[in-house]
Amino acid sequence: KAGVTQTPRYLIKTRGQQVTLSCSPISGHRSVSWYQQTPGQGLQFLFEYFSETQRNKGNFPGRFSGRQFSNSRSEMNVSTLELGDSALYLCASSLVSRAKTQYFGPGTRLLVL
Amino acid sequence: AQTVTQSQPEMSVQEAETVTLSCTYDTSESNYYLFWYKQPPSRQMILVIRQEAYKQQNATENRFSVNFQKAAKSFSLKISDSQLGDTAMYFCAFMLAGGSEKLVFGKGTKLTVNP
Repeated sequence: KAGVTQTPRYLIKTRGQQVTLSCSPISGHRSVSWYQQTPGQGLQFLFEYFSETQRNKGNFPGRFSGRQFSNSRSEMNVSTLELGDSALYLCASSLVSRAKTQYFGPGTRLLVL
Repeated sequence: AQTVTQSQPEMSVQEAETVTLSCTYDTSESNYYLFWYKQPPSRQMILVIRQEAYKQQNATENRFSVNFQKAAKSFSLKISDSQLGDTAMYFCAFMLAGGSEKLVFGKGTKLTVNP
C-alpha cells in the first residue's frame, strides 16, 4: 500500500498570503489528523477529520482551517499568514479501529517571509 | 488535559549497546494508548512501537521494547543492539481511547548512535 502523501513538500509564502496544503491518506484510512511542528512549540495537534467531519480541534486561531473530502483526502488552509506559521505541517491517517495507530506523511515545510 | 514529558533532551549510545529513553505522562483517564515515534533527519515520522493501556504485557518490536508502568504513568523505550540508523529524534505520544484520535507529544529525545 502507498503511504500517506502530502503536497507540496516545500512552500515559501509572504506574510498576509494564504496557503492550502493537501494530504492523501493510506487507502482505506478514514481519519486524517494534522499537526504543526516547530522548534519552539514542538508537535501540536491542529485538527482531526473523520468521514468529512471535524472531530477535534487543537488550540489554534481561526486562520487555520481544514476539510475532508468523500475520498478521505484532506486539505488544510492557513489564511493571513504570519511569520510564526513557518513550520513543518504533518498529516497522519489511521484506520479508526481499536488499533488507534496514526501513520504520518513526509510533511510540508512552510516558510513565511 | 493530558501531558507528556520526556526529561532527556539528548542521549548518545555506542553502536551495539543498549539505551533506554524515558517518558512520563499525566492523565486522569484509564483507557488510552501510548506510542513511540522516531523522526530521523529526513523528518519522516515513523511508528516504533505501540502500547494499549489495558494490556499489562509490555510491547516489543524486534530490538525495541517498552517498560510500561501504569501506576507510575511511565513508558520508557529500550533499544537493544543500537544501530547507526537508530540515530533520530524519538517522541513519546499519548492518545485517549474513544472517538477522536488526537496525539499529545512530548518534546522529544535526540538520540545519537556513535560508531
